[in-house]
Amino acid sequence: DGGITQSPKYLFRKEGQNVTLSCEQNLNHDAMYWYRQDPGQGLRLIYYSQIVNDFQKGDIAEGYSVSREKKESFPLTVTSAQKNPTAFYLCASTVQGAWAEAFFGQGTRLTVV
Amino acid sequence: DAKTTQPNSMESNEEEPVHLPCNHSTISGTDYIHWYRQLPSQGPEYVIHGLTSNVNNRMASLAIAEDRKSSTLILHRATLRDAAVYYCILRDPRNAGKSTFGDGTTLTVKP
Repeated sequence: DGGITQSPKYLFRKEGQNVTLSCEQNLNHDAMYWYRQDPGQGLRLIYYSQIVNDFQKGDIAEGYSVSREKKESFPLTVTSAQKNPTAFYLCASTVQGAWAEAFFGQGTRLTVV
Repeated sequence: DAKTTQPNSMESNEEEPVHLPCNHSTISGTDYIHWYRQLPSQGPEYVIHGLTSNVNNRMASLAIAEDRKSSTLILHRATLRDAAVYYCILRDPRNAGKSTFGDGTTLTVKP
């Protein structure tokens, strides 16, 4: 079945450590996105990529990094520079076009301990 | 970027219609209006989208005002499974990657 997969579902990180969240899709979508969601709030855009080997910062990119070496994969690294990384992280993908439906993964809940 | 405004919460009775409003007074002529919904601890799910005309699909209907400054998501018969946070977002063809999600409307469905 086609879809978008995030792993792991839960992730614990010690302060000062970098951690990488995985996002893989087999929908042949060109565009992929990372969002952060804090309790009771909406989604905020971290980074997005509309084509392989290219990506742009979203509204809250500080303390995060991404790569897009393959069409299927868009990993997000939460660096030690991110002051408050505990949150729910969501990955999405779409075909190109503002009319396109976005498909979301099930999310990764990151907790800093 | 054009922004959307939605009520924080709404309630409905089961099997009754629900009208969820969204204001987007700064919408541009080419922005698409999308609706998504999110259950707790899950990723959002696409519901419907439109540009100028009203739209229907198996999940819902989307009514778009003639001046496009507002829209309404219509669930024709609410079920308990429709209880979720509903987001109205705009997607600009000039930069479709930068869609902004507001805080959405939390819909409670009472049996």
